[in-house]
Amino acid sequence: EVQLVESGGDLVQPGGSLRLSCTASRFTFSNYWMTWIRQAPGKGLEWVANINQDGYEKYYVDSVRGRFTISRDNAKNSLFLQMNNLRAEDTAVYYCAKYLRSGVVNTLYIWGQGTVVTVSS
Amino acid sequence: SSELTQDPAVSVALGQTVRITCQGDCLRIYYASWYQKKPGQAPLLVMSGNYNRPSGIPDRFSGSGSGNTVSLTIAGSQAEDEADYYCLSRDSSGDHLLFGGGTKLTVL
Repeated sequence: EVQLVESGGDLVQPGGSLRLSCTASRFTFSNYWMTWIRQAPGKGLEWVANINQDGYEKYYVDSVRGRFTISRDNAKNSLFLQMNNLRAEDTAVYYCAKYLRSGVVNTLYIWGQGTVVTVSS
Repeated sequence: SSELTQDPAVSVALGQTVRITCQGDCLRIYYASWYQKKPGQAPLLVMSGNYNRPSGIPDRFSGSGSGNTVSLTIAGSQAEDEADYYCLSRDSSGDHLLFGGGTKLTVL
């Protein structure tokens, strides 16, 4: 079964840093765009960042640009999200997802179970 | 600016048909996908490319799209369909993903 497993979520103080990881299995990780999505308590789903297959194209939602960095290691089937200067509003469940971007198609086929990030003093 | 608009809440009687809609200018260019989100669970893809149902999703789920609007229809709604539903597409830049605000479906 195709699987994504996130880790790295924690309680961190405002201004702190955290690195999330997502490990993929049972699909050719290097063939796909990947993405991070989050859901704050009581709020809807929010796209955070995308990265293409070779890691050279990266895109971010405005609220995290300059603070978060998405990266990947295709040799280790892993996706990362380095989060710096964290704010209370970054508190959320963070999901990684396998992203099919093809022509006009945009589909997140597989999701991880999520990892919880809490930013609080 | 790009945005996707959904009704915040919709209700349907058990066994009846409900349509959940999503509107946005970007839908004239890009297909949408739909996700079911239940508390404590990861989102689940229920429709891709406007109207393609993934394997394992019951055939009571169907999708359609025209102009700036896409719809997810559930025919013969079941209690287990009660969830939040989100549409997703790409914004006008072509590089950023965009979620609708979500529709809370209540099955009465």
